[in-house]
This record gives sequence, structure tokens and C-alpha cells, in this order.
Amino acid sequence: KAGVTQTPRYLIKTRGQQVTLSCSPISGHRSVSWYQQTPGQGLQFLFEYFSETQRNKGNFPGRFSGRQFSNSRSEMNVSTLELGDSALYLCASSSTGTSGTSSYNEQFFGPGTRLTVL
Amino acid sequence: GQNIDQPTEMTATEGAIVQINCTYQTSGFNGLFWYQQHAGEAPTFLSYNVLDGLEEKGRFSSFLSRSKGYSYLLLKELQMKDSASYLCAVKGGYGQNFVFGPGTRLSVLP
Repeated sequence: KAGVTQTPRYLIKTRGQQVTLSCSPISGHRSVSWYQQTPGQGLQFLFEYFSETQRNKGNFPGRFSGRQFSNSRSEMNVSTLELGDSALYLCASSSTGTSGTSSYNEQFFGPGTRLTVL
Repeated sequence: GQNIDQPTEMTATEGAIVQINCTYQTSGFNGLFWYQQHAGEAPTFLSYNVLDGLEEKGRFSSFLSRSKGYSYLLLKELQMKDSASYLCAVKGGYGQNFVFGPGTRLSVLP
């Protein structure tokens, strides 16, 4: 079974630009969560999509948005990039999602997209 | 609020045993996870605890005490390849997501 894939793996942008990152979950998984990882803040939750609906959202400004398609692939978009947005962006897929009542929700992480904002 | 604490760095010797502690305060609790993350790579799942007690999986064991908001990851017979960051994460209640700790960077020395 293929793992979680993310494209692109590396991106360099300048302040004020926007960026779109893509994530393809494991086949059959309906949930995709996005995380931002920085040396100072660690792994921080951005949002979760399940069956094309946003189920949960972290404490990030509205410049960060996402969506999920009917094939469960997900994209996240960051508009008006700031220097502080430089980070590793990870997506993780799970079969049942992580916002529900089921206690065991193993997430499988993709390799991440390394975004550098200059 | 949600808060998870772990030591920032630890060092141990090849062949030894190391215990990485994690304390948490979350508004809900539906399980605690440990992940391993090598530099430049994605986190990979190590263990899961939802009930108090010890879960053993080969060289790795994880312990949970819900009343104390405490968990530890025990790594035995350390190998050089165990040098990595170890992330503690708590799944909150319904409508809540995973909260990750800052991670513990473990260095295994020969």
C-alpha cells in the first residue's frame, strides 16, 4: 500500500506570495490533517478534513486555508506569505479521522513540504 | 488549556536503557501516542496508550498514568539508529485533535 505523498517536497517563495501544497492520503483513508513544524514551536495542528469537510481547525490566521477533494486528496493554501511561515508542513492521513470519538486513531505522516520564505 | 512537556534533549550510550518522560494537561483525553522522528524525515508511530499501565513492543515500551497526566517511553538495548526526536502526543476528546509535545532529541553515543 502506497504511503502518504506530498508535493512539492521543497519550495522557496518570497514574502507576499501565496503557495499551495498538496497531500495524497493512503488509499482508503478519508481523513487528512495538516501540521506546521518549526524548531521553536514544534508540531502544531493546522486543520483536519474528513470526507471533504473541515472538522477541526487550529489557532492559525485566516491566511491558512485548505480543502479536500472527493478522492480525499487535500490541498492547503497560504496567502500573503510571511517570513515566519518558513516551516516543514506535514500532512497525515488516518482511516477514521482524529476528531471523532474513536480512541485509536493512528496517523500516517507524509514526508512533508519544506517551505522557505525569503 | 493544552500543555505537554518533555525534556528537550537526552544523551545515552549504545546498549543502555533510556526513559523519556512526558507530562500533559489537556481538556480531554482519548489516548497518548509516541512518535519517532529522524532528522529531515516524517514522524513514525511507535506506541499508543489509552489505559493505565505498560505497553511493550519489542525494545520499546510505553507507560501511562492518567491520574498523574504522565507517560514515559522506555527504550532498551539502545542502538545508534535510535538517535532521533521522540514526540509525545495526546488525542483530546470529541472535536479535539492531537496536541504534540515539543519533542525530546535523543543522542545515542558509541
